[in-house]
Amino acid sequence: ETGVTQTPRHLVMGMTNKKSLKCEQHLGHNAMYWYKQSAKKPLELMFVYSLEERVENNSVPSRFSPECPNSSHLFLHLHTLQPEDSALYLCASSQERGGEQFFGPGTRLTVL
Amino acid sequence: GEDVEQSLFLSVREGDSSVINCTYTDSSSTYLYWYKQEPGAGLQLLTYIFSNMDMKQDQRLTVLLNKKDKHLSLRIADTQTGDSAIYFCAESNFSGGGADGLTFGKGTHLIIQP
Repeated sequence: ETGVTQTPRHLVMGMTNKKSLKCEQHLGHNAMYWYKQSAKKPLELMFVYSLEERVENNSVPSRFSPECPNSSHLFLHLHTLQPEDSALYLCASSQERGGEQFFGPGTRLTVL
Repeated sequence: GEDVEQSLFLSVREGDSSVINCTYTDSSSTYLYWYKQEPGAGLQLLTYIFSNMDMKQDQRLTVLLNKKDKHLSLRIADTQTGDSAIYFCAESNFSGGGADGLTFGKGTHLIIQP
């Protein structure tokens, strides 16, 4: 247990669906991150939030929409995804920006 | 841009030492990390080293950093079946104004032979 939880753990969705991934951290951290882990590719940073403000967006398509309502919760809203978006989506948090990151177990997403 | 390279597979016998190697290109890296990922799980931070250190030891784990060659290694002594996982090397170069995320390698699958 790292103190970072993600739900759901598995998600299958069609290309026209809208769904959301949820991340919650119980560590009192101020920064949260979304990463994408695809087969045979390095983990890719998608979004960074610090004190609920988005500080970095690594050119992620607009079909991925993050939301950080408070420092403990992070969402990733998904709509009109493509099959190539199928991947493991990992959430992480750190005490401050750039600090040691603790990861959640991930959500395995399959887009049909 | 930043790049982190690792070999994809390493096979060792149970009880032997495992050495997983990593090279990186960003000379301004401040921290270098080793994460472990078991099947179906997220990433677990194993250890990290600050860029001005050469070595760090933590029980069965030894991290060696050659900053001149931008080479990082993780040695696992007395490798056990429970060590079977994917090991990711990662670096960060947070300077207060730049990227905050980690740059990861593709991961090394550690395979333990009985």
